[in-house]
Amino acid sequence: GIQVEQSPPDLILQEGANSTLRCNFSDSVNNLQWFHQNPWGQLINLFYIPSGTKQNGRLSATTVATERYSLLYISSSQTTDSGVYFCAAAMFSGGYNKLIFGAGTRLAVHP
Amino acid sequence: GAVVSQHPSWVICKSGTSVKIECRSLDFQATTMFWYRQFPKQSLMLMATSNEGSKATYEQGVEKDKFLINHASLTLSTLTVTSAHPEDSSFYICSAKGGSSYNEQFFGPGTRLTVL
Repeated sequence: GIQVEQSPPDLILQEGANSTLRCNFSDSVNNLQWFHQNPWGQLINLFYIPSGTKQNGRLSATTVATERYSLLYISSSQTTDSGVYFCAAAMFSGGYNKLIFGAGTRLAVHP
Repeated sequence: GAVVSQHPSWVICKSGTSVKIECRSLDFQATTMFWYRQFPKQSLMLMATSNEGSKATYEQGVEKDKFLINHASLTLSTLTVTSAHPEDSSFYICSAKGGSSYNEQFFGPGTRLTVL
């Protein structure tokens, strides 16, 4: 099945810094989503981005489907950005589009 | 829009008892719902996929007789952990897709299960 790899696994930032998180996937995908899991476990949808570039405030994402990777950019980081960032790629299997999650990037933003 | 709720948010039960977790899509009709499991400091693992009115499709290694899924309507799916044991303790998260954002999955807040 499809493999989803995220890097870096851990990231420590000073408030105000910028960062780039990477997601590589091993096969063609129907869908790619980025999530932020907050300390209470809730997954918050950041981007649905099977291809192209999207921006939402201080966050933006780019997926290059032909080269099988996606990037999440966080600018001017804030302490509230701390948490785990997951990317998940969808593959069609068994009649359904299933999301396969990467291992996540654990981000800590210090004041 | 695209809000998914779960109930309960946490539950503690004795070994051998059964626990039911509800997942509801509040503002859209979910064509498909998914159940995931997450152990501490690990990623989410898909357990099963369900469509309203049909049997769930379980991932390899997931016991369908232990994790019963009922998708009764386009807004409600339930996961019942039968004869729970301490190793079933985990964070269970549901997701749903449907409505105007057809291919995008939206996640519930999760249910933390502790089996004593």
